[in-house]
Amino acid sequence: DGGITQSPKYLFRKEGQNVTLSCEQNLNHDAMYWYRQDPGQGLRLIYYSQIVNDFQKGDIAEGYSVSREKKESFPLTVTSAQKNPTAFYLCASSFQGSTAQHFGDGTRLSIL
Amino acid sequence: QQQVKQSPQSLIVQKGGISIINCAYENTAFDYFPWYQQFPGKGPALLIAIRPDVSEKKEGRFTISFNKSAKQFSLHIMDSQPGDSATYFCAASNAGGTSYGKLTFGQGTILTVHP
Repeated sequence: DGGITQSPKYLFRKEGQNVTLSCEQNLNHDAMYWYRQDPGQGLRLIYYSQIVNDFQKGDIAEGYSVSREKKESFPLTVTSAQKNPTAFYLCASSFQGSTAQHFGDGTRLSIL
Repeated sequence: QQQVKQSPQSLIVQKGGISIINCAYENTAFDYFPWYQQFPGKGPALLIAIRPDVSEKKEGRFTISFNKSAKQFSLHIMDSQPGDSATYFCAASNAGGTSYGKLTFGQGTILTVHP
C-alpha cells in the first residue's frame, strides 16, 4: 500500500538533546512538508521541500533542521535550540504543483 | 495577511443535525480551499476542496459553500453521525507562484456528534 510512514509514533527528548523524526513516502511524490500541531493552533509549517537537495523554511523553522537526500525521505531534526518542542509533528507529501497533501499519522514528541 | 481564521473552536451536534464550520481569509491570492478531517492519533485526511470559480461543492453529506466577495467559506455536514466526530481544519493555498503547494491552516474545530 502506498502511503507516508512516520516513526517513531512517540518520542521522548531530554533537555539539550537533538532528536530526529523520520518520514518516508512511497507515493512517488515530489514535495514533502513538516508541520507542527499544537492544541488550538492548527497546523504550522516548519519546512518544506519541492525537490531533492532543496528545501525552504516555513513559518516556524527556528530550532529545526531538515535534509532531503532522497525523494522518498525527509527527516526532521528537533535541535536543543527549540525551547518548546513538545508537540505533535506531522509529515505530508504531494505531487509537484499539486495542493492535495497526504499526511502521515504523526510523531508525538515529549520532553522528559 | 496569510491567516485563515476558523470558528467555532468546538461544536456539539445531535445525530442527524447539521454541522456548520466557518473560515475567513485575507489573502486574495488564495485560490484553493480544502477541508481536512482528523481523528485522534491520526494525520489529517483531505475531505473536500473548492476553487473560487464555483460557489458550492457537494460530496455526499459534505458541502463547501464559498463567498468570494466576503472572503469566507464554510463546511456543512448534513445528517451528522457519531462517526463524523473529529477535528476539522480548513486551509487555503495560492496554487501559483513560488509558494505553490503551501497550505495555511485554520485553528481547527473539534466536532462532537451525540447519538
